Amino acid sequence: GAVVSQHPSWVICKSGTSVKIECRSLDFQATTMFWYRQFPKQSLMLMATSNEGSKATYEQGVEKDKFLINHASLTLSTLTVTSAHPEDSSFYICSARDPGLSPTSYNSPLHFGNGTRLTVT
Amino acid sequence: DAKTTQPTSMDCAEGRAANLPCNHSTISGNEYVYWYRQIHSQGPQYIIHGLKNNETNEMASLIITEDRKSSTLILPHATLRDTAVYYCIVKSSSNTGKLIFGQGTTLQVKP
Repeated sequence: GAVVSQHPSWVICKSGTSVKIECRSLDFQATTMFWYRQFPKQSLMLMATSNEGSKATYEQGVEKDKFLINHASLTLSTLTVTSAHPEDSSFYICSARDPGLSPTSYNSPLHFGNGTRLTVT
Repeated sequence: DAKTTQPTSMDCAEGRAANLPCNHSTISGNEYVYWYRQIHSQGPQYIIHGLKNNETNEMASLIITEDRKSSTLILPHATLRDTAVYYCIVKSSSNTGKLIFGQGTTLQVKP
C-alpha cells in the first residue's frame, strides 16, 4: 500500500533555531500533502495544505512565516519551523493521498507518516 | 464537512468484537465516512471508508445505517494491539482531501 515517510522521527533543538522536517511519498506521486500538529492528549490539528509547485494554504491561526512549507517535487514536502520556541514543541505529522487510478477523485484515503516529535529547549 | 460525535472512551475484552459507534446526523449525500486509528506516538492509520454501503476489509467492517446518520466500526476479534484512539471523520468528495479530526474514541482492549 501507499507509504508516507517522515524524517526525522524526533529532534531536539535550541530556542531560536530552525528545524526542517521532510515528508516523502515513497511509492506514489502526491500533488498535495497535508501537515498536522498534535499536542499531548489532544487530537490532530490541520496546519496547512502543501501544493506542489505553488504556495501552501494555511489554516486560520497558523503563521505562514513561522511554518515554512516547500513542496518542490511530487514526492517531497518540507516543513521548516523557524525561530523555534518551547511552545512549538509538538508532534508534527504529514499525510498524502495516493490518487491511484482516479487523480481527480478525492475519495481515496490519506496516508500518514509516523510523525516527528519536536522538542525545543 | 459534517461533524461527527463519538464516545470518549470504550473498553473491550480481548478476543471479543469491538463495536465503535459514530454519529454524523448532518451528513450530506456526497460525504464519505472514514475511520482512522492512532496508536500512541504514531501517525494515524487508515482503516476503512464508505459512502452508503457496508464495507469490509482485512482490518474491520463498517456498517452505515440506511439514513446514513450514524455508523459503526467493527473490529471482529480485538487484540491488545488494537488499543488506540479511533477517529470517525466525514469528508465531502469535493473536498481537496484534507481531513479534520475530532477527539475520537479511546479504545482500551483488556486481557
